[in-house]
Amino acid sequence: GESVGLHLPTLSVQEGDNSIINCAYSNSASDYFIWYKQESGKGPQFIIDIRSNMDKRQGQRVTVLLNKTVKHLSLQIAATQPGDSAVYFCAEFGSGSQGNLIFGKGTKLSVKP
Amino acid sequence: EPEVTQTPSHQVTQMGQEVILRCVPISNHLYFYWYRQILGQKVEFLVSFYNNEISEKSEIFDDQFSVERPDGSNFTLKIRSTKLEDSAMYFCASSGGPGRLSSYNEQFFGPGTRLTVL
Repeated sequence: GESVGLHLPTLSVQEGDNSIINCAYSNSASDYFIWYKQESGKGPQFIIDIRSNMDKRQGQRVTVLLNKTVKHLSLQIAATQPGDSAVYFCAEFGSGSQGNLIFGKGTKLSVKP
Repeated sequence: EPEVTQTPSHQVTQMGQEVILRCVPISNHLYFYWYRQILGQKVEFLVSFYNNEISEKSEIFDDQFSVERPDGSNFTLKIRSTKLEDSAMYFCASSGGPGRLSSYNEQFFGPGTRLTVL
């Protein structure tokens, strides 16, 4: 079946360092992926998305890489700041779905000052 | 900046009672969603709603659940007879369109309602 999961449940980085959060997916037909950030007590917040016809997409301080061969995507955060501390989820749409987002388990990023 | 709002922020209820969770989606959005997140677990899709009817629902969304858009601004989730395992954060989301065609279709999430069933 389709599933989206994460390699590591927690990640601790020093302020100013780069962070890399990983995600594995199992549905080779998935064509669109999204990274969400969830701060404590808040709902998920869209960070960046990528379509399957792309390998890389950059935003402001964030980059998403997609490796379709091994069904893996990653979120890179440059110059991590304390405000980046949150749980990060990758998500995809369910097969044939237009709105059913399937979330991974989440990686908690802690930024040490 | 427009945002999705949800009330109440925390709801405590007794097992077997009915609860209604309320959401006000972003005003020009047409697609509405409910998700839940059991403590420490991932966010799970419950239901999507468009044009006054359910578009998709998950296995979690059984007969105990219902959704309604009673007026032009509110979107509600009703749990008819709550169970202990319904305790979770419930997130409402809305989008301008379906799927992944453009940023217009980005799902914006509310802050959630924490439901505690005793």
